[in-house]
Amino acid sequence: GAVVSQHPSWVICKSGTSVKIECRSLDFQATTMFWYRQFPKQSLMLMATSNEGSKATYEQGVEKDKFLINHASLTLSTLTVTSAHPEDSSFYICSADPSLSSTDTQYFGPGTRLTVL
Amino acid sequence: AQSVTQLDSHVSVSEGTPVLLRCNYSSSYSPSLFWYVQHPNKGLQLLLKYTSAATLVKGINGFEAEFKKSETSFHLTKPSAHMSDAAEYFCVVTQYNQGGKLIFGQGTELSVKP
Repeated sequence: GAVVSQHPSWVICKSGTSVKIECRSLDFQATTMFWYRQFPKQSLMLMATSNEGSKATYEQGVEKDKFLINHASLTLSTLTVTSAHPEDSSFYICSADPSLSSTDTQYFGPGTRLTVL
Repeated sequence: AQSVTQLDSHVSVSEGTPVLLRCNYSSSYSPSLFWYVQHPNKGLQLLLKYTSAATLVKGINGFEAEFKKSETSFHLTKPSAHMSDAAEYFCVVTQYNQGGKLIFGQGTELSVKP
């Protein structure tokens, strides 16, 4: 089956620093990837849609200057949390769709646990 | 507009007994519906999906769900719970004109007692 990886799986950083999270589709190409944020015991909240070769589309209330998304190739999207603060601590999950159908299955990465001290 | 409501935040069953996780949806067009499972500190795994084919959908690990348009429901069932089924379950909806954006339910935590 389609596999999506994320790196790192967990990261601890100091307040004010930036953290980059990578999302890779290992055995398929994805023109679109999605970034989610999940707080403990809560559901996933879509942050942005990452489109290969173009700017990401951010959901309402998500700061695009805070959460920088780059989708440089058909197998890699990155999320950079800039000037991280403790309230940015969360579980970040990406997903990708191997097909061209917008209603087909998405495959999720294992997530990245970010802790900002 | 789309939305999905999982009617129970927590369900507890005994091992070997049936599982029922309830989900209702709202969609302007014919929806695609999914159930995903998430084990602690892990990503999401697809259990099954409905995309306008057979209304009774069979998934992995013995799970199945039935799409009922008249009731706008997509409940997840399993005849006999196993300890390894303990996890968080998400009902998810999308439709063709949403560019792949998924709408997640609030999640149902399933506990399985020995």
